[in-house]
Amino acid sequence: GAVVSQHPSWVICKSGTSVKIECRSLDFQATTMFWYRQFPKQSLMLMATSNEGSKATYEQGVEKDKFLINHASLTLSTLTVTSAHPEDSSFYICSALLRGGADEQYFGPGTRLTVT
Amino acid sequence: TQLLEQSPQFLSIQEGENLTVYCNSSSVFSSLQWYRQEPGEGPVLLVTVVTGGEVKKLKRLTFQFGDARKDSSLHITAAQPGDTGLYLCAGGPYFGNEKLTFGTGTRLTIIP
Repeated sequence: GAVVSQHPSWVICKSGTSVKIECRSLDFQATTMFWYRQFPKQSLMLMATSNEGSKATYEQGVEKDKFLINHASLTLSTLTVTSAHPEDSSFYICSALLRGGADEQYFGPGTRLTVT
Repeated sequence: TQLLEQSPQFLSIQEGENLTVYCNSSSVFSSLQWYRQEPGEGPVLLVTVVTGGEVKKLKRLTFQFGDARKDSSLHITAAQPGDTGLYLCAGGPYFGNEKLTFGTGTRLTIIP
């Protein structure tokens, strides 16, 4: 149980275009999902908290107009990188919150974005 | 700002040896989770500890939550090449949102 998928697993796009990444909780409902960015050989950096049916909460320094988040259902959150630039190239990972005695985050496999 | 420092940052040992990874903070957490991440993949949850002093075992891995809920350790017995990866601890908040505070990470390499 507690499986999270991401699509696509990797994507290459040209500078100036937009890219959408999907995050799905496959076997549980998640009112809260998270989007992270990870640079090579580093830990995870939280970008934003995605809440079903409401606006996402962005971390300080993350441009909300550039990284659009939509959590339209209890099993799907999307991250759209708008007007992508080479510096947006990174590994993007989502997680879904499974509520219980101790809330636990289950992660997707990640999406490698390369902007040329 | 809550910070979780992991030590060591890098560790390379021979197969069969034992090792311990530490996760320390000055902040108190409601729970502590350990993840292992392999290159190009998302982190995989290994364990969650919620009670101060709690010890959990997962085959050759032993996890402990500090009595004061500020620190944790991961001990691996008889390490195997399959244990290679990035180990991340993450603390759950006591109040407010559900955001995890991630540790700085320990990159472990087991040499066959």
